[in-house]
Amino acid sequence: DIQMTQSPSSLSASVGDRVTITCRASQSISSYLNWYQQKPGKAPKLLMYLASSLQSGVPSRFSGSRSGTDFILTISSLQSEDFATYYCQQSSSIPWTFGQGTKVEMK
Amino acid sequence: EVQLVESGGGLVQPGGSLRLSCAASGLTFSKYNMNWVRQAPGKGLEWISYIDSSSSSIYYADSVKGRFTISRDNAKNSLYLQMNSLTAEDTAVYYCANSGNSRLDSWGQGTLVTVSS
Repeated sequence: DIQMTQSPSSLSASVGDRVTITCRASQSISSYLNWYQQKPGKAPKLLMYLASSLQSGVPSRFSGSRSGTDFILTISSLQSEDFATYYCQQSSSIPWTFGQGTKVEMK
Repeated sequence: EVQLVESGGGLVQPGGSLRLSCAASGLTFSKYNMNWVRQAPGKGLEWISYIDSSSSSIYYADSVKGRFTISRDNAKNSLYLQMNSLTAEDTAVYYCANSGNSRLDSWGQGTLVTVSS
């Protein structure tokens, strides 16, 4: 199975901060990497797909990039509604696997 | 607007069985691949099963293989998960999600399954 390792596990930030979350795949997954946002008590929501494509309706302050097997989710200017947990997920091969999550908390 | 609504969760004893349902609306259900994903309390997300639009291809995570069965009824716009031989490790919120292009596009609100004596 492909292992997905996210870092950091949590971070504290303020509104307006630039935030980056990294996800590393244990082997090549091409660009088959998706990002989800989950708020407490709610279902996950798709943010980015194919590493750098923004899901319809998602604000443009979210962006994604890839370098080999490393993937980055960037929030250019953190807003109050962005405090949540973020998960990466590979869809290159079954079983689809998720990172362990990154909790973005208010500083 | 896509709506996925799970039902069927509840409290079940270890070794017991439960059948989850997911009712879909706002999409042409018969054209979409579907998935079940679960989340144990306070833990991360775990993909557990996939079924393609015509039920031709079905996959399971090793953690549920041989115990869980995914199925669908396109005429009823519904997805199912039959869960047998349940253990405490199966306690989780279970989500259904559609996947048109190798991504989990829309998710239901989830249904909680608690396995406990």
